[in-house]
Amino acid sequence: DTAVSQTPKYLVTQMGNDKSIKCEQNLGHDTMYWYKQDSKKFLKIMFSYNNKELIINETVPNRFSPKSPDKAHLNLHINSLELGDSAVYFCASSRLTANYEQYFGPGTRLTVT
Amino acid sequence: AQKVTQAQTEISVVEKEDVTLDCVYETRDTTYYLFWYKQPPSGELVFLIRRNSFDEQNEISGRYSWNFQKSTSSFNFTITASQVVDSAVYFCALSGTHSGGGADGLTFGKGTHLIIQP
Repeated sequence: DTAVSQTPKYLVTQMGNDKSIKCEQNLGHDTMYWYKQDSKKFLKIMFSYNNKELIINETVPNRFSPKSPDKAHLNLHINSLELGDSAVYFCASSRLTANYEQYFGPGTRLTVT
Repeated sequence: AQKVTQAQTEISVVEKEDVTLDCVYETRDTTYYLFWYKQPPSGELVFLIRRNSFDEQNEISGRYSWNFQKSTSSFNFTITASQVVDSAVYFCALSGTHSGGGADGLTFGKGTHLIIQP
């Protein structure tokens, strides 16, 4: 009964490739997020979606494109992968807004070689 | 802009000692929310507590306690009688209503790596 799930857990790919990470939540939440955690463990918001509508896009290169087919899913597609994209990507969800606690997925460790 | 500072990069204590993790925040919002998350070595992020800016009452949950002081913009976290299983990176985070109450993300501090030695 995983609340927020992400696939895949690990992703190793070469520079220039395109890849996607999928996220699903079964908590009935309205809002979903993508965060990036770098090698120094720093967590930064990338995107948030509320009821399938993009709310935040925090200075993320346009090679990153989130897609929300419905309230329970928020996928992240990355084009033309670069070495600097290597990180752990976390999906999260919350009720209504970020003023409510966010529940995080297990993370996807992306390694670009 | 919002900011969260966790000045302690790493803390190492011996089991059963008490330890306090500091968190100082900056925001122009009058209404905001503060959070603590735990990231154990396995990597997941675990929600610990949420506190709103109007509630300065301290909170205790088992061995965990939180001290919120609006006057000093601090939201510190204390673990009493620490255990090896408490070893993790702990993040303090802040959300607010500065963008009109939309689905703002959290602003995280850089985390404190807590090591509990047996």
